[in-house]
Order: sequence, then C-alpha cells, then structure tokens
Amino acid sequence: EPEVTQTPSHQVTQMGQEVILRCVPISNHLYFYWYRQILGQKVEFLVSFYNNEISEKSEIFDDQFSVERPDGSNFTLKIRSTKLEDSAMYFCASSEGRAVPYEQYFGPGTRLTVT
Amino acid sequence: KNEVEQSPQNLTAQEGEFITINCSYSVGISALHWLQQHPGGGIVSLFMLSSGKKKHGRLIATINIQEKHSSLHITASHPRDSAVYICAVIGGGADGLTFGKGTHLIIQP
Repeated sequence: EPEVTQTPSHQVTQMGQEVILRCVPISNHLYFYWYRQILGQKVEFLVSFYNNEISEKSEIFDDQFSVERPDGSNFTLKIRSTKLEDSAMYFCASSEGRAVPYEQYFGPGTRLTVT
Repeated sequence: KNEVEQSPQNLTAQEGEFITINCSYSVGISALHWLQQHPGGGIVSLFMLSSGKKKHGRLIATINIQEKHSSLHITASHPRDSAVYICAVIGGGADGLTFGKGTHLIIQP
C-alpha cells in the first residue's frame, strides 16, 4: 500500500541553524500538508500546498518557515533559524484532493530537537 | 475557530471491555477523522466520517452532525489497542485539520 515517507526520523540541531525536513507524498496525491506536535500537546496545522504554491497557512507558519516541492516527488519544510520552541514532531501528510471526500494520509514524522 | 474536545483524556480498561471515546466540536464541519497514534509518534487514519456510522473490524465510529458529537467504540478490546486516539475535524473551507488533545487508552491483559 502506498505510504507517505519522511526523512530523517530524528534531527538534532543547534539553535539558530537551518533545518530541512523532507517528505515524499503518495505519488498520485496533489495536496500536501505539514503539521507539528510539541511534546505533550495536540497536533497543529502549519501549512498546505497545492499546484506549487501555499494554499493555506496557520499563524504558526511565520517567515521562519518555508515549503517547497523541489522535484516531482519531494516536499520539504525549511526552518530558517531554529529556536528552542521549534522542538517538536513534524508530520507530513498528503491527499488526492482537497477536503471531503479526500482523506489525508500521514507520514511517520520527524522528531526535531533544537539544543 | 473550531474547538475540539475529547473525553476521557485517559482510559485504562481490562482486555475484552467495550471502549467508548467521545469527541465534540464547536463549529459545523464537513468531516471528522479518528486517528491512532502509537508510542514513537506515527499517526494512522482510522476513519473519516461525514455522517452516520462506519465500522472496520472491532472499531466503530459514529457521528451526530446536529449535536456536533462523534464517538469511537472498540469492541472486545485487546492490549494491542493501547494507543492515543485523536479526533480531528475539517470544515469551513479550511485545508488543515483541527485536532483534539487525544485520549490515551491502555488495555491491560
């Protein structure tokens, strides 16, 4: 069964460094998403992406964040200058279409630790 | 902004028990998801509901759109059902899901 994959599974970085989290969505899916989950808290929506541009973003997704689909398979989340509070689990998701009836499929997540 | 509330927050039960987890939300939606998260963090989609009821194996999900409420039931619970169960909603033209805090379920042998 096709699945969303994410790399790396765990990334440790120092405050102020740039990080790029990578995702390979399911191949025929057109919508891509990033979510994050700070330890002990609920999952939060960051951004959605369609047709090579941001479709929607939350107030969390400030100028420190950017997303890109650099080729036909990868979807990336870049954090320009990491802060301690960026430490979280980051989930990528993809769907065939937008909203109902299309289901979002989640990747296994990347645990980002900022020290 | 939709507020998604789940109850209970924590639930410990014995193997074989019938489990019910509840979810309520504040604003009308187009769909509700039930998701499962295991230790280690991965999220697996269990159901997406717009109305009525869905069943998959020992899992049953129901939704009452008028009352803005959904329930997830697990019949004949098993220790491997131990996980965090999360309710998430989508609607109002939004792309992103709005999540509840999750219910931490432990099934003891």
